[in-house]
Amino acid sequence: AQSVTQLDSQVPVFEEAPVELRCNYSSSVSVYLFWYVQYPNQGLQLLLKYLSGSTLVKSINGFEAEFNKSQTSFHLRKPSVHISDTAEYFCAVISNTGNQFYFGTGTSLTVIP
Amino acid sequence: NAGVMQNPRHLVRRRGQEARLRCSPMKGHSHVYWYRQLPEEGLKFMVYLQKENIIDESGMPKERFSAEFPKEGPSILRIQQVVRGDSAAYFCASSPLDRGLEQYFGPGTRLTVT
Repeated sequence: AQSVTQLDSQVPVFEEAPVELRCNYSSSVSVYLFWYVQYPNQGLQLLLKYLSGSTLVKSINGFEAEFNKSQTSFHLRKPSVHISDTAEYFCAVISNTGNQFYFGTGTSLTVIP
Repeated sequence: NAGVMQNPRHLVRRRGQEARLRCSPMKGHSHVYWYRQLPEEGLKFMVYLQKENIIDESGMPKERFSAEFPKEGPSILRIQQVVRGDSAAYFCASSPLDRGLEQYFGPGTRLTVT
């Protein structure tokens, strides 16, 4: 089985400041890695994913994450946050043979004006 | 192409009643997953269904919970004799593939048991 740890449950950050949301995973098999974002009262939306290839993946709204196999991490970063980035962020993994996602407990990002 | 639809969005039940949650997958998707999000926790897998088949129910509680995905109509997650601990957000996801890499999530149903 797999597990995901998001060390920070809440991250407040000022507008236009950089942010990093941490994600570590544990798995005995190869996995694919995802970040989902959940805005209030909405479902989860895929932010970005790592399947293979370049270990640095980017989203269309300025977020990026880097897969680090040796540290079993997939931290999410953004150099300059906006108010609209306020949301809950979930890191998730799925094995290369499985069907179910394993989610972290989420990080609540609050951007302060 | 409409996204994954879930209804109701909010459901209040008294202890002992039954809760029925519906999920309509995206058009063309024949694979449905149900997840539960308890307060202060991440989403946890419950069950994976294809049309008329339960493929993986390893995350379903052994009692009171059941799920179906009939040939016609939405997928249903049914909780009998609800208890306060069932209060949670229940999310459905659908996929066009027979593996879960591409799952699209619905807005969820928030169940409150009083």
